[in-house]
Amino acid sequence: KQEVTQIPAALSVPEGENLVLNCSFTDSAIYNLQWFRQDPGKGLTSLLLIQSSQREQTSGRLNASLDKSSGRSTLYIAASQPGDSATYLCAVSSVGTGNQFYFGTGTSLTVIP
Amino acid sequence: GAGVSQSPSNKVTEKGKDVELRCDPISGHTALYWYRQSLGQGLEFLIYFQGNSAPDKSGLPSDRFSAERTGGSVSTLTIQRTQQEDSAVYLCASSLSGGGHSPLHFGNGTRLTVT
Repeated sequence: KQEVTQIPAALSVPEGENLVLNCSFTDSAIYNLQWFRQDPGKGLTSLLLIQSSQREQTSGRLNASLDKSSGRSTLYIAASQPGDSATYLCAVSSVGTGNQFYFGTGTSLTVIP
Repeated sequence: GAGVSQSPSNKVTEKGKDVELRCDPISGHTALYWYRQSLGQGLEFLIYFQGNSAPDKSGLPSDRFSAERTGGSVSTLTIQRTQQEDSAVYLCASSLSGGGHSPLHFGNGTRLTVT
Protein backbone atom coordinates (compact mmCIF):
# COMPACT_ATOMS: atom_id res chain seq x y z
CA LYS A 1 0.00 0.00 0.00
CA GLN A 2 1.25 3.47 -0.86
CA GLU A 3 2.36 5.54 2.12
CA VAL A 4 2.90 9.27 1.94
CA THR A 5 4.95 11.20 4.49
CA GLN A 6 5.36 14.93 4.92
CA ILE A 7 8.13 16.48 6.95
CA PRO A 8 8.14 18.71 8.88
CA ALA A 9 4.68 18.56 10.42
CA ALA A 10 4.88 22.27 11.22
CA LEU A 11 7.06 25.13 10.04
CA SER A 12 7.27 28.76 11.08
CA VAL A 13 9.22 31.29 9.00
CA PRO A 14 9.55 35.10 8.84
CA GLU A 15 7.90 36.90 5.96
CA GLY A 16 10.00 37.10 2.81
CA GLU A 17 11.87 33.86 3.37
CA ASN A 18 12.06 31.16 0.72
CA LEU A 19 11.06 27.73 1.97
CA VAL A 20 10.79 24.09 0.93
CA LEU A 21 8.17 21.55 1.95
CA ASN A 22 8.88 17.87 1.54
CA CYS A 23 6.77 14.92 0.50
CA SER A 24 7.91 11.31 0.18
CA PHE A 25 6.09 8.23 -1.04
CA THR A 26 6.93 4.56 -0.86
CA ASP A 27 5.77 3.26 -4.26
CA SER A 28 7.25 5.02 -7.29
CA ALA A 29 4.59 3.63 -9.66
CA ILE A 30 2.39 6.70 -9.73
CA TYR A 31 0.22 8.49 -12.27
CA ASN A 32 0.69 11.90 -10.74
CA LEU A 33 1.35 13.89 -7.58
CA GLN A 34 -0.73 16.84 -6.49
CA TRP A 35 -0.07 19.60 -3.96
CA PHE A 36 -2.93 21.25 -2.06
CA ARG A 37 -3.35 23.93 0.54
CA GLN A 38 -6.01 23.80 3.22
CA ASP A 39 -7.12 26.82 5.20
CA PRO A 40 -8.79 26.29 8.59
CA GLY A 41 -12.38 25.12 8.23
CA LYS A 42 -12.08 24.85 4.47
CA GLY A 43 -11.65 22.17 1.86
CA LEU A 44 -8.49 21.57 -0.13
CA THR A 45 -7.42 23.93 -2.88
CA SER A 46 -5.31 22.45 -5.67
CA LEU A 47 -2.00 24.21 -6.19
CA LEU A 48 -0.02 22.11 -8.64
CA LEU A 49 -0.25 18.72 -10.30
CA ILE A 50 2.80 16.94 -11.68
CA GLN A 51 2.31 14.04 -14.05
CA SER A 52 4.63 11.07 -13.57
CA SER A 53 6.49 11.96 -16.78
CA GLN A 54 7.21 15.50 -15.61
CA ARG A 55 10.00 16.80 -13.38
CA GLU A 56 8.46 20.05 -12.19
CA GLN A 57 5.58 22.47 -12.40
CA THR A 58 5.50 26.18 -11.64
CA SER A 59 2.71 28.57 -10.73
CA GLY A 60 3.63 32.07 -9.65
CA ARG A 61 5.80 31.86 -6.52
CA LEU A 62 5.29 28.10 -6.28
CA ASN A 63 7.48 25.44 -7.83
CA ALA A 64 6.93 21.73 -7.34
CA SER A 65 9.47 19.12 -8.32
CA LEU A 66 9.13 15.38 -8.64
CA ASP A 67 11.81 12.68 -8.40
CA LYS A 68 9.76 9.59 -8.99
CA SER A 69 12.63 7.12 -8.71
CA SER A 70 13.50 8.27 -5.22
CA GLY A 71 9.89 8.76 -4.21
CA ARG A 72 10.19 12.45 -3.40
CA SER A 73 8.57 15.75 -4.20
CA THR A 74 9.28 19.24 -2.94
CA LEU A 75 7.16 22.36 -2.95
CA TYR A 76 9.24 25.52 -3.08
CA ILE A 77 7.60 28.77 -2.01
CA ALA A 78 9.48 31.92 -2.89
CA ALA A 79 9.28 35.17 -0.94
CA SER A 80 6.75 33.86 1.57
CA GLN A 81 3.83 36.05 2.67
CA PRO A 82 1.50 35.87 5.70
CA GLY A 83 -1.28 34.85 3.30
CA ASP A 84 0.67 31.67 2.57
CA SER A 85 -0.06 30.47 6.11
CA ALA A 86 -2.04 27.24 5.74
CA THR A 87 -1.62 23.48 5.82
CA TYR A 88 -0.02 22.04 2.71
CA LEU A 89 -0.80 18.47 1.67
CA CYS A 90 0.55 16.28 -1.04
CA ALA A 91 -1.28 13.35 -2.61
CA VAL A 92 -0.27 10.65 -5.06
CA SER A 93 -2.32 8.58 -7.43
CA SER A 94 -0.84 5.11 -7.68
CA VAL A 95 -0.80 2.75 -10.63
CA GLY A 96 -3.12 -0.16 -9.93
CA THR A 97 -5.13 1.71 -7.32
CA GLY A 98 -6.01 4.77 -9.36
CA ASN A 99 -9.41 4.99 -7.75
CA GLN A 100 -7.99 6.70 -4.73
CA PHE A 101 -5.40 9.30 -3.97
CA TYR A 102 -3.09 8.73 -1.00
CA PHE A 103 -2.54 11.78 1.17
CA GLY A 104 0.16 12.86 3.55
CA THR A 105 -0.82 14.38 6.89
CA GLY A 106 0.38 17.80 5.81
CA THR A 107 2.78 20.54 6.85
CA SER A 108 1.29 23.42 8.81
CA LEU A 109 3.00 26.61 7.65
CA THR A 110 2.99 29.88 9.56
CA VAL A 111 4.52 32.95 7.95
CA ILE A 112 5.25 35.61 10.56
CA PRO A 113 4.80 39.24 9.46
CA GLY B 1 -21.69 26.17 -10.21
CA ALA B 2 -18.02 26.85 -10.49
CA GLY B 3 -16.87 24.46 -7.80
CA VAL B 4 -17.81 21.39 -5.77
CA SER B 5 -20.68 22.17 -3.42
CA GLN B 6 -21.36 20.28 -0.19
CA SER B 7 -24.27 20.56 2.19
CA PRO B 8 -24.81 21.03 5.02
CA SER B 9 -21.58 22.75 6.02
CA ASN B 10 -22.13 21.69 9.63
CA LYS B 11 -24.22 18.93 11.13
CA VAL B 12 -24.71 18.10 14.79
CA THR B 13 -26.58 14.90 15.51
CA GLU B 14 -27.30 12.63 18.41
CA LYS B 15 -25.70 9.24 18.67
CA GLY B 16 -27.85 6.62 16.96
CA LYS B 17 -29.46 8.97 14.44
CA ASP B 18 -29.01 8.70 10.67
CA VAL B 19 -27.45 11.52 8.64
CA GLU B 20 -27.23 12.35 4.94
CA LEU B 21 -24.46 14.43 3.44
CA ARG B 22 -24.76 15.86 -0.06
CA CYS B 23 -22.22 16.62 -2.75
CA ASP B 24 -22.72 18.47 -6.04
CA PRO B 25 -19.65 17.92 -8.23
CA ILE B 26 -18.37 20.23 -10.93
CA SER B 27 -20.52 19.90 -14.04
CA GLY B 28 -19.00 17.47 -16.51
CA HIS B 29 -16.77 15.74 -13.99
CA THR B 30 -17.22 12.00 -14.27
CA ALA B 31 -15.32 10.94 -11.16
CA LEU B 32 -16.47 11.65 -7.60
CA TYR B 33 -14.70 10.81 -4.35
CA TRP B 34 -15.63 10.91 -0.68
CA TYR B 35 -12.90 11.32 1.94
CA ARG B 36 -13.01 11.69 5.71
CA GLN B 37 -10.66 13.92 7.68
CA SER B 38 -10.45 13.36 11.41
CA LEU B 39 -8.75 15.77 13.79
CA GLY B 40 -5.00 15.50 13.47
CA GLN B 41 -5.17 12.74 10.89
CA GLY B 42 -4.77 12.53 7.17
CA LEU B 43 -7.50 12.11 4.63
CA GLU B 44 -9.12 8.69 4.63
CA PHE B 45 -10.57 7.41 1.38
CA LEU B 46 -14.19 6.25 1.63
CA ILE B 47 -15.71 5.66 -1.79
CA TYR B 48 -15.22 6.44 -5.48
CA PHE B 49 -17.72 6.77 -8.35
CA GLN B 50 -16.76 6.79 -12.02
CA GLY B 51 -19.46 7.31 -14.62
CA ASN B 52 -21.89 4.42 -14.68
CA SER B 53 -19.41 1.88 -13.32
CA ALA B 54 -19.92 0.10 -10.02
CA PRO B 55 -18.49 2.26 -7.22
CA ASP B 56 -15.30 1.39 -5.38
CA LYS B 57 -16.54 1.01 -1.81
CA SER B 58 -13.30 -0.39 -0.41
CA GLY B 59 -12.77 2.50 1.99
CA LEU B 60 -16.12 2.46 3.75
CA PRO B 61 -15.35 1.73 7.43
CA SER B 62 -18.50 -0.24 8.23
CA ASP B 63 -21.85 -1.29 6.81
CA ARG B 64 -23.41 1.74 8.50
CA PHE B 65 -21.91 3.82 5.71
CA SER B 66 -23.37 3.90 2.21
CA ALA B 67 -23.33 6.26 -0.73
CA GLU B 68 -25.09 6.70 -4.01
CA ARG B 69 -24.68 8.89 -7.03
CA THR B 70 -27.80 9.68 -9.02
CA GLY B 71 -27.68 10.41 -12.73
CA GLY B 72 -23.90 10.56 -12.67
CA SER B 73 -24.02 13.86 -10.81
CA VAL B 74 -25.16 14.52 -7.24
CA SER B 75 -23.95 12.12 -4.55
CA THR B 76 -25.29 11.40 -1.08
CA LEU B 77 -23.29 9.81 1.72
CA THR B 78 -25.49 8.22 4.38
CA ILE B 79 -24.35 7.21 7.84
CA GLN B 80 -26.81 5.10 9.80
CA ARG B 81 -26.92 4.80 13.58
CA THR B 82 -24.16 7.38 14.01
CA GLN B 83 -21.44 6.84 16.60
CA GLN B 84 -19.18 9.38 18.27
CA GLU B 85 -16.20 8.09 16.31
CA ASP B 86 -17.98 9.16 13.13
CA SER B 87 -17.34 12.80 14.08
CA ALA B 88 -15.09 14.23 11.37
CA VAL B 89 -15.05 16.46 8.33
CA TYR B 90 -16.42 14.68 5.27
CA LEU B 91 -14.92 15.96 2.05
CA CYS B 92 -16.16 15.40 -1.46
CA ALA B 93 -13.99 15.82 -4.55
CA SER B 94 -14.57 15.49 -8.26
CA SER B 95 -12.28 15.19 -11.25
CA LEU B 96 -12.76 15.44 -14.98
CA SER B 97 -11.85 11.81 -15.50
CA GLY B 98 -11.20 8.88 -13.24
CA GLY B 99 -8.38 6.46 -12.70
CA GLY B 100 -6.27 9.03 -10.90
CA HIS B 101 -5.23 10.87 -14.06
CA SER B 102 -6.95 14.21 -13.46
CA PRO B 103 -6.57 16.72 -10.61
CA LEU B 104 -8.97 16.62 -7.71
CA HIS B 105 -11.27 19.54 -6.90
CA PHE B 106 -12.61 19.57 -3.35
CA GLY B 107 -15.68 21.04 -1.72
CA ASN B 108 -15.47 22.81 1.65
CA GLY B 109 -16.66 19.72 3.47
CA THR B 110 -19.35 18.87 5.99
CA ARG B 111 -18.29 18.98 9.63
CA LEU B 112 -20.18 16.22 11.42
CA THR B 113 -20.40 16.19 15.19
CA VAL B 114 -22.04 13.25 16.92
CA THR B 115 -23.03 13.97 20.52
